[in-house]
Amino acid sequence: SQKIEQNSEALNIQEGKTATLTCNYTNYSPAYLQWYRQDPGRGPVFLLLIRENEKEKRKERLKVTFDTTLKQSLFHITASQPADSATYLCALVGTGNQFYFGTGTSLTVIP
Amino acid sequence: TAGITQAPTSQILAAGRSMTLRCTQDMRHNAMYWYRQDLGLGLRLIHYSNTAGTTGKGEVPDGYSVSRANTDDFPLTLASAVPSQTSVYFCASSDGGTPGETQYFGPGTRLLVL
Repeated sequence: SQKIEQNSEALNIQEGKTATLTCNYTNYSPAYLQWYRQDPGRGPVFLLLIRENEKEKRKERLKVTFDTTLKQSLFHITASQPADSATYLCALVGTGNQFYFGTGTSLTVIP
Repeated sequence: TAGITQAPTSQILAAGRSMTLRCTQDMRHNAMYWYRQDLGLGLRLIHYSNTAGTTGKGEVPDGYSVSRANTDDFPLTLASAVPSQTSVYFCASSDGGTPGETQYFGPGTRLLVL
């Protein structure tokens, strides 16, 4: 079965720095990869989607890369702010629209 | 618009009792999903429905049942709750027309089975 691994440790970074979160996967070839943000006590909120034939996607301060050879996606938040503190989930999406979520990485941006 | 609403917000349930978690969306989305989220395991799909009148099993369907009588509602029933069903349950929906499309999540129901 597919396995998805995100940064196992919580990530703490200084305000203004770039946060980089990792999503590695095995035993699967997703057609898409999505990133979601989840705040405590709330449901996940969609941030970005990247397709298997795309290398990079950007949205404002967010950047996602997708390397199907390495089976890895990197999620970057540039010029990080305390308001970016949350848990970030990656999700693999198959061609049949099956979703498989990672366990998430908790990010804390320190003022 | 409200998006997706779930009820109740939280519940304590005695083992062996039944319970229905409610989920309603006002976006006229075709597809709806139920996930459970547990520490260290992430979100796992319980059941899904691609359109009204159809349902399918996800990764962890045992002990749960769903129905989809109309587009807006997708209730999840625990027939006889067990402590291992203690979790946070999220309902989600998507338009259902495009592979890889965004899922919209509700606020969750926190369930404790004793």
